[in-house]
Amino acid sequence: GAVVSQHPSWVICKSGTSVKIECRSLDFQATTMFWYRQFPKQSLMLMATSNEGSKATYEQGVEKDKFLINHASLTLSTLTVTSAHPEDSSFYICSASTMGLHRSGYTFGSGTRLTVV
Amino acid sequence: GQSLEQPSEVTAVEGAIVQINCTYQTSGFYGLSWYQQHDGGAPTFLSYNALDGLEETGRFSSFLSRSDSYGYLLLQELQMKDSASYFCAVIPAGNTGKLIFGQGTTLQVKP
Repeated sequence: GAVVSQHPSWVICKSGTSVKIECRSLDFQATTMFWYRQFPKQSLMLMATSNEGSKATYEQGVEKDKFLINHASLTLSTLTVTSAHPEDSSFYICSASTMGLHRSGYTFGSGTRLTVV
Repeated sequence: GQSLEQPSEVTAVEGAIVQINCTYQTSGFYGLSWYQQHDGGAPTFLSYNALDGLEETGRFSSFLSRSDSYGYLLLQELQMKDSASYFCAVIPAGNTGKLIFGQGTTLQVKP
C-alpha cells in the first residue's frame, strides 16, 4: 500500500517551454505532498510543500512563479517548470506524507529526469 | 534550521561491515531516518529511530543518540548491490511534516 506514481519518468524539452510533472497517490489520499530537486551527486533539496486545496509553501530561494505547484485533489499534485532553462535540468522527486500508513511516514515517486536543451 | 553532515564517500569490500555516520544540528526533530538511493532511482526507506538506541532490520541497523546529536547506519555482510548513496533525514519539530535530507554518503562496495 501507499504507492505514489510520478510521471513522466524522463522528459527533454526546449529552452523556454514549460513542463508539467504529475505525482499521484494510487491507493491513499495524500493531503500533503513534497517536491524535491536533486542535482547529480548531491542531496535531495526540498523545494516546496504542497497541501490539497491551498497554496504551496515554498522553501527559501525557490521561485514560486517558476515552479508552479497545484494540488487540486487528494490524489494529485503537479509541478510545472515554466520557461525552462538548461540550469533547470535536474532530477525532480515527489513524496507524499503517509503518516500512519508506512513506518517511514513518507512514500516517494520514482522521479522525473528533466533535461532542458 | 537543520544541518545534517555525513561523510561524502565510503569504500568497503564485500562481506565487510561499514558504518555511515550522521551528525546533526537542529532545533528539534521527531526522529532520524535513513534512505538508500541507487543512481537514477527514488530514495528507499531503510530505518527510523524515534528514540535513542539501536534499531535492527536485517543486515541494516541504525542508531541514534540525541544527547550526542549523532546517529549512524550500520550495514553488515556487504553485498555489491549495496553500492548506492545513503542519506540520513529528519522531520523537524513543528507541524510542517517535511523531511530534510543530509548531504548523503556514496558507498562503493568492492569485490
